Amino acid sequence: ETGVTQTPRHLVMGMTNKKSLKCEQHLGHNAMYWYKQSAKKPLELMFVYNFKEQTENNSVPSRFSPECPNSSHLFLHLHTLQPEDSALYLCASSQTAGVGDTQYFGPGTRLTVL
Amino acid sequence: AQSVTQPDIHITVSEGASLELRCNYSYGATPYLFWYVQSPGQGLQLLLKYFSGDTLVQGIKGFEAEFKRSQSSFNLRKPSVHWSDAAEYFCAVGRPWNNNAGNMLTFGGGTRLMVKP
Repeated sequence: ETGVTQTPRHLVMGMTNKKSLKCEQHLGHNAMYWYKQSAKKPLELMFVYNFKEQTENNSVPSRFSPECPNSSHLFLHLHTLQPEDSALYLCASSQTAGVGDTQYFGPGTRLTVL
Repeated sequence: AQSVTQPDIHITVSEGASLELRCNYSYGATPYLFWYVQSPGQGLQLLLKYFSGDTLVQGIKGFEAEFKRSQSSFNLRKPSVHWSDAAEYFCAVGRPWNNNAGNMLTFGGGTRLMVKP
């Protein structure tokens, strides 16, 4: 699905760096999501935005800070990360945040924290 | 709490053979069920979904899945596997969240499919 794009595709950062992940959806959707996919754990939901409002933070540490300036863009600001935060970060969007709405995923950003 | 179990971490099948990937869920209400596929270096793509009605659901790429409430299962099947089907497959359960403000998908651990020539 090419309707959801993510940049960068790969990111290497030190524990003291600050970086941001960007997600853009071209589908006219109103809900956007951040997921974390680690090697050893199932895909985990991090944040949900519905009509630009954050509707839930799934117990994510404060070193991850999301931002949703409009319905088409979603950012994940990273600071003071730990090596265990290395993972594939996936963005998704859906028409609304309704339970039956299909979520469309981007290709992900592969993050490595040194 | 809901959960999703995919008992098989890896499966290898020969090209042209049939395929069944298992998914079991735990959820108190009627579940919304999904199967996604993830090719290397790619995001997840929806194969099919079940909400209600006919318990046999047809999806893209020749896949189908059958919802069996009595067994709490939603197994994915394909009659003849192609080499391009090699990927990781994820089963997920969706439920309303935060007074219907959000849609939470709970994913299984995934099954990696390898296809032998």
